[in-house]
Amino acid sequence: KAGVTQTPRYLIKTRGQQVTLSCSPISGHRSVSWYQQTPGQGLQFLFEYFSETQRNKGNFPGRFSGRQFSNSRSEMNVSTLELGDSALYLCASSFYGTGSEKLFFGSGTQLSVL
Amino acid sequence: AQSVAQPEDQVNVAEGNPLTVKCTYSVSGNPYLFWYVQYPNRGLQFLLKYITGDNLVKGSYGFEAEFNKSQTSFHLKKPSALVSDSALYFCAVRDGGYGGSQGNLIFGKGTKLSVKP
Repeated sequence: KAGVTQTPRYLIKTRGQQVTLSCSPISGHRSVSWYQQTPGQGLQFLFEYFSETQRNKGNFPGRFSGRQFSNSRSEMNVSTLELGDSALYLCASSFYGTGSEKLFFGSGTQLSVL
Repeated sequence: AQSVAQPEDQVNVAEGNPLTVKCTYSVSGNPYLFWYVQYPNRGLQFLLKYITGDNLVKGSYGFEAEFNKSQTSFHLKKPSALVSDSALYFCAVRDGGYGGSQGNLIFGKGTKLSVKP
């Protein structure tokens, strides 16, 4: 069974640009959540999608958005990039959600904003 | 609001010695607690979780964690450390998850475990 796949693995952008990250969950999983990982802040929850609906959202500005498709694949978009958006973005999938289940994480997309 | 703290940024252990990675939590209601491990250039991997039941939880790769309600702690332990255990360890607690919502995970800042031969 294939794991969680995130593409691309690395991205370099400049300030003001926008970026789209992709996440393909494990087959059969309907929940996809996104996290931002930085050395200073650790892992912070961005949002969770379940069956194409955003079910939960963290404390990030509106420049961060996402969506989920009918095949459960998810995309995350960041508009008007800032230097502080440089981070490892991780997505995780599970059957029902993040409450009490174990999450399966992808290897992440390393975003560098210059 | 729920929170979790990992008081040590780094833990150094000699191979073969027991290891402990500390975690304390603050929740309203019953805690749902997790440990994840992150190897270099990889995503996180689930180690174990505590929902209810026995205070000693056994997980992957020989790790276990002890839930202590009175001390609000959930320390990760292993009787004999391996060099390959060197990684970043995260404790997490469920936030929300009431009234139909599934909640999300709040992670600690992580503890870097270094096991020397």
